[in-house]
Amino acid sequence: GEDVEQSLFLSVREGDSSVINCTYTDSSSTYLYWYKQEPGAGLQLLTYIFSNMDMKQDQRLTVLLNKKDKHLSLRIADTQTGDSAIYFCAENGRLAFGKGNQVVVIP
Amino acid sequence: DSGVTQTPKHLITATGQRVTLRCSPRSGDLSVYWYQQSLDQGLQFLIQYYNGEERAKGNILERFSAQQFPDLHSELNLSSLELGDSALYFCASSDPHGGDNVLTFGAGSRLTVL
Repeated sequence: GEDVEQSLFLSVREGDSSVINCTYTDSSSTYLYWYKQEPGAGLQLLTYIFSNMDMKQDQRLTVLLNKKDKHLSLRIADTQTGDSAIYFCAENGRLAFGKGNQVVVIP
Repeated sequence: DSGVTQTPKHLITATGQRVTLRCSPRSGDLSVYWYQQSLDQGLQFLIQYYNGEERAKGNILERFSAQQFPDLHSELNLSSLELGDSALYFCASSDPHGGDNVLTFGAGSRLTVL
């Protein structure tokens, strides 16, 4: 089975907040990442969080890490049309990305 | 431009054929990774090379093979192609001394097997 579980389609109105979630398996991961894949393109690193942190804020992005439940979430504030993409979470060492979360922003 | 170059961008071939996908990593990166992305399987890790040596193996079929050359570019060879091999194949590279293991992805090679 996959090391990273996520498979979601999310439709959100422009200006609203969107939250996407993922669960991971490797509790020894030092870093956890969010990557973004825009249509027709490769993945780009969006942000990452060090495993000894609970939260990281980076402009419109907030990453929350629940180590006990091995749960990672990404909140995008004031979602814009350019945020329409597939979002993948990943853990270092496992090299696993899963199916991703597709976010569609409606103008 | 991410700095990772993949060729060809698109490839159409027939079942039973063999193709080679090429990747040039970002300058200074020693590790190269290959991933397969399909609609039903998502993004699957195939194989990783570090400085010419195989470092990790994922869900790579026996019909597929890869190598990393002394100049650090890598090739993914896909043989006896089947319809189900149609997918986007991504190469990524990383700087193993960076500590954070962030991957830089190429734009991908889209393979269509007819």
